[in-house]
Amino acid sequence: SQKIEQNSEALNIQEGKTATLTCNYTNYSPAYLQWYRQDPGRGPVFLLLIRENEKEKRKERLKVTFDTTLKQSLFHITASQPADSATYLCALDGDDYKLSFGAGTTVTVRA
Amino acid sequence: NAGVTQTPKFQVLKTGQSMTLQCAQDMNHEYMSWYRQDPGMGLRLIHYSVGAGITDQGEVPNGYNVSRSTTEDFPLRLLSAAPSQTSVYFCASRTLQGNHTFGSGTRLTVV
Repeated sequence: SQKIEQNSEALNIQEGKTATLTCNYTNYSPAYLQWYRQDPGRGPVFLLLIRENEKEKRKERLKVTFDTTLKQSLFHITASQPADSATYLCALDGDDYKLSFGAGTTVTVRA
Repeated sequence: NAGVTQTPKFQVLKTGQSMTLQCAQDMNHEYMSWYRQDPGMGLRLIHYSVGAGITDQGEVPNGYNVSRSTTEDFPLRLLSAAPSQTSVYFCASRTLQGNHTFGSGTRLTVV
């Protein structure tokens, strides 16, 4: 069966450092891989999308890599700030538009 | 643009009661979906629709019904509420670029 695993439930880092989150998947051939941010009591908010034929995507302090051979995506937050504290969700999208989500990693950035 | 609007934000039901969770989007998106989010499990797809008049089941459809009479609206009906349906429910619509826009959620408690 399809499985999406995010490396850890929680990640605590010091302000200014880089946070690196991992998303691994099995039994899946996604057309897209997406990352969302979710704050407590709110809906997920889209951050970045990377296609199967792309290796890397950047947006401001965010970077995503996608390795279809390893079946893995890495999500980096550089120069992290306390405002980056949230839960980050990895989601895979096949040709049928249906999103499958990982359980999420909660990032806490200490000032 | 309001985006995706969900009502109500909170609801308490007694076992066996029925209710409808409302979802509306003003972005003219064809694809819409409903997810439930439970602690530690990530978001799971309940039902989805690729356009007006077309709906299909997701990963956890039992106990739920949907209809799509217009592009804008995609209500989710709980037929006979059970404590196992206590969850946070999110409605989403998909852009042409592939990312999904989520509503703010409905927190449902079944007692």
